[in-house]
Amino acid sequence: GQNIDQPTEMTATEGAIVQINCTYQTSGFNGLFWYQQHAGEAPTFLSYNVLDGLEEKGRFSSFLSRSKGYSYLLLKELQMKDSASYLCAVKGGATNKLIFGTGTLLAVQP
Amino acid sequence: EAGVTQSPTHLIKTRGQQATLRCSPISGHTSVYWYQQALGLGLQFLLWYDEGEERNRGNFPPRFSGRQFPNYSSELNVNALELEDSALYLCASSLRAPGGVRYGYTFGSGTRLTVV
Repeated sequence: GQNIDQPTEMTATEGAIVQINCTYQTSGFNGLFWYQQHAGEAPTFLSYNVLDGLEEKGRFSSFLSRSKGYSYLLLKELQMKDSASYLCAVKGGATNKLIFGTGTLLAVQP
Repeated sequence: EAGVTQSPTHLIKTRGQQATLRCSPISGHTSVYWYQQALGLGLQFLLWYDEGEERNRGNFPPRFSGRQFPNYSSELNVNALELEDSALYLCASSLRAPGGVRYGYTFGSGTRLTVV
């Protein structure tokens, strides 16, 4: 089976840096995704990692260690609009579908 | 390019009734996925359709069913509605691998189903 763990909630200050961790267990691995979801809206794609290392995209970066079953999403220069849920999702298993963690609700404070 | 569209946006039903939710994928996407997001919970995988066939279903009772049409649009049907079926139902589409792997799924804005 697949299991994905991430913190339920985090709080950070505007302008700061925050790291959201995700650990996973899967019987097959074909990539890890991060999505952002504002309240009442659809999840939107942020990043994709399939090889170990860091992927940088503007203020957002995502890191993957396949041997440790670990990923993090790094958000720099936080803005108020970054307040949202951040969903870690793993593609793998017998059917290769995308399985989501419960999400981390990030609150950015002034 | 139009995104994934879902209808209706909101749906209110009485316990025991049936609900039908609709989804149109991005043009060229052949896979459609349905997820349930109950309040305070993560996205729970419901169903996956590709090329008109059901490829996989999540851990939901048989009263959750659906189909995919020749134009790749999809319907999700929920029979004998229960109060706990109240949730946001999200549809996503993707290209078939390998082209779709890099970008995961594109989600629609969802249908908020309320069962009273």
